[in-house]
Amino acid sequence: EAGVVQSPRYKIIEKKQPVAFWCNPISGHNTLYWYLQNLGQGPELLIRYENEEAVDDSQLPKDRFSAERLKGVDSTLKIQPAELGDSAVYLCASSLGGTSGPRRQFFGPGTRLTVL
Amino acid sequence: LAKTTQPISMDSYEGQEVNITCSHNNIATNDYITWYQQFPSQGPRFIIQGYKTKVTNEVASLFIPADRKSSTLSLPRVSLSDTAVYYCLVGDNQAGTALIFGKGTTLSVSS
Repeated sequence: EAGVVQSPRYKIIEKKQPVAFWCNPISGHNTLYWYLQNLGQGPELLIRYENEEAVDDSQLPKDRFSAERLKGVDSTLKIQPAELGDSAVYLCASSLGGTSGPRRQFFGPGTRLTVL
Repeated sequence: LAKTTQPISMDSYEGQEVNITCSHNNIATNDYITWYQQFPSQGPRFIIQGYKTKVTNEVASLFIPADRKSSTLSLPRVSLSDTAVYYCLVGDNQAGTALIFGKGTTLSVSS
């Protein structure tokens, strides 16, 4: 079974430029998460989708960040314009919905963004 | 969501048993305890999850006392490849809500 796929793995851009990250979750997983991870810190949630609906985006900086999950499968996270402080690893995770009890989250390898 | 406290770092040698304790004094009735492992340049990976008493799988054991205010992840006979960051998370995640990761415990295993 294929895991969570993310691309690109690495991205270097100059500040004020736009950037986009793509995520393809595990087949059949209807819950998708985007996290941000700074060096030496644990992942922090940016947005969570249940199918195509964003059900928790309270931590997403909406002035520059946007996300979409058309058709409830793969997802794109965009930053426009990027700032120096956005340099971090962006992780995508997915989980199987409809299960009783806590859900196991499966993470992709992440995209390491460097803003110069 | 309950806050967790765990040691910033731990050192061990190959072949030893490692126990990482996590405190979660404000754990709620519906909360489960979940541990994730993260290697450099990779996303976190699920290790084990439990609600009470003891849970064991092929890679670890999780001990949870009756009051559930703490938990201990036990890694038997660690190897160099167990060097990683270990995160303790508490939450019910009933509706798929994301769990809150702290800084985790960096485990360093030496030969």
